[in-house]
Amino acid sequence: GAVVSQHPSRVICKSGTSVKIECRSLDFQATTMFWYRQFPKQSLMLMATSNEGSKATYEQGVEKDKFLINHASLTLSTLTVTSAHPEDSSFYICSARDWTGGALRDTIYFGEGSWLTVV
Amino acid sequence: QKEVEQNSGPLSVPEGAIASLNCTYSDRGSQSFFWYRQYSGKSPELIMFIYSNGDKEDGRFTAQLNKASQYVSLLIRDSQPSDSATYLCAVTRPYEKLTFGTGTRLTIIP
Repeated sequence: GAVVSQHPSRVICKSGTSVKIECRSLDFQATTMFWYRQFPKQSLMLMATSNEGSKATYEQGVEKDKFLINHASLTLSTLTVTSAHPEDSSFYICSARDWTGGALRDTIYFGEGSWLTVV
Repeated sequence: QKEVEQNSGPLSVPEGAIASLNCTYSDRGSQSFFWYRQYSGKSPELIMFIYSNGDKEDGRFTAQLNKASQYVSLLIRDSQPSDSATYLCAVTRPYEKLTFGTGTRLTIIP
């Protein structure tokens, strides 16, 4: 079946540095990808919707200058956490919309997630 | 405000029994309906999707959709300990983001 791959699965970075997380759709073209954050024992929180070739749409309260999203191709979206701080430590998960079956038969798959630890 | 509600749980089911998970949604324009399974510390995994009224079966899983009642359910037959997880119901319209329920934590008791 369709697969969404995320990389890296775990990353540790120093406070003040930036880290990039990649999300790839492996066997379908994804014009739309979503980025979520999840803290332990909490619900998924949508951060932004990423559309290929256009600017991402950020949810209220998410700093667009801190969480840079680039969806440069139909199979790749990246999330860059800039000037990371310990409070940014979390589980970041992408998902991708598969339109292969048509607009009324779309399917949304999640990547494996990326654990970010800022020290 | 689009809402998705799930039976609150936690739900405990003996091994080998049927687990029944329920979900109602408020947006009548919803077109796609998903059930995801999420293990602790892992990302959600798509286990069923359904678009039309009726039942859809895949192995031990059956999804049921009733758009008139705005209701979608997931049945897990012959429950196994590996089915213990949080199950997320999610709905969406075309071109829109997913709306999730709060999830139901399922525990299968050996």
